[in-house]
Amino acid sequence: DQQVKQNSPSLSVQEGRISILNCDYTNSMFDYFLWYKKYPAEGPTFLISISSIKDKNEDGRFTVFLNKSAKHLSLHIVPSQPGDSAVYFCAASRINTDKLIFGTGTRLQVFP
Amino acid sequence: EAQVTQNPRYLITVTGKKLTVTCSQNMNHEYMSWYRQDPGLGLRQIYYSMNVEVTDKGDVPEGYKVSRKEKRNFPLILESPSPNQTSLYFCASSLSRTSGFYYNEQFFGPGTRLTVL
Repeated sequence: DQQVKQNSPSLSVQEGRISILNCDYTNSMFDYFLWYKKYPAEGPTFLISISSIKDKNEDGRFTVFLNKSAKHLSLHIVPSQPGDSAVYFCAASRINTDKLIFGTGTRLQVFP
Repeated sequence: EAQVTQNPRYLITVTGKKLTVTCSQNMNHEYMSWYRQDPGLGLRQIYYSMNVEVTDKGDVPEGYKVSRKEKRNFPLILESPSPNQTSLYFCASSLSRTSGFYYNEQFFGPGTRLTVL
C-alpha cells in the first residue's frame, strides 16, 4: 500500500519557467511533509517542509503547497535553473513518529 | 561539519559472504534509519533505531540485521547476501519527534552501492 505517491516519474521544464512537482498521500494522520532533492551519486538532501497546520511554505525559489482536503501537496520551483535537475522525493511523517514514508520520486530535467 | 558518513561507498561481493556497511553521524541524533533505493520503488526503510540499544524493523527487513551500541553508529549487516539485495543503500539520522522535536528532517549519508553476484 503506497501511502505517498508521486505519479509523474519525470518532468522536463525550460530554464526560467516554473516547475511543479506533485505528491498525493492517503493517510490523514500525516502531519508533517518534506521534499528532498537527490543528485546522482549523492544522498538525498532536505529541501523544504510544511506542517499540516499550514497551507504554504516558501523558501527562496521553492514553495510547497498543502491541500489537506485533497491530500495533495506540490512543490513549485520558480524560476527553474539547470542546477535544479535532480530527482525529487516527497515524504510524510505521522504525528509523534519519526518514520518518514517516501514517494517513488520525480526526475526533473531543466533544459536551457 | 555536520554529516552522516557511510562506508564503503561501493561494494561488489558474492552470494553468502557476510558483509557490514558502517554508518556514523556526528549530530548527536537519537533516530537513525537504513533505506534501500530501487528503481520505481523509491526509498524503503529497512531498519531503524530510536536510541542506543533500541532497534526495530522497517518495511523490508528480511535478510538484514542492525545494531546500535553507540549513539553515533548504526551498522547494517548482511549475514548471507543474495542477489536480490543488490541495491543502493542510505543511512539517515534525525532528531526525534518523540523527544519533543517537531521538525525531524532526516540527514542522509552519501549512499553505498552494493552488488551481490
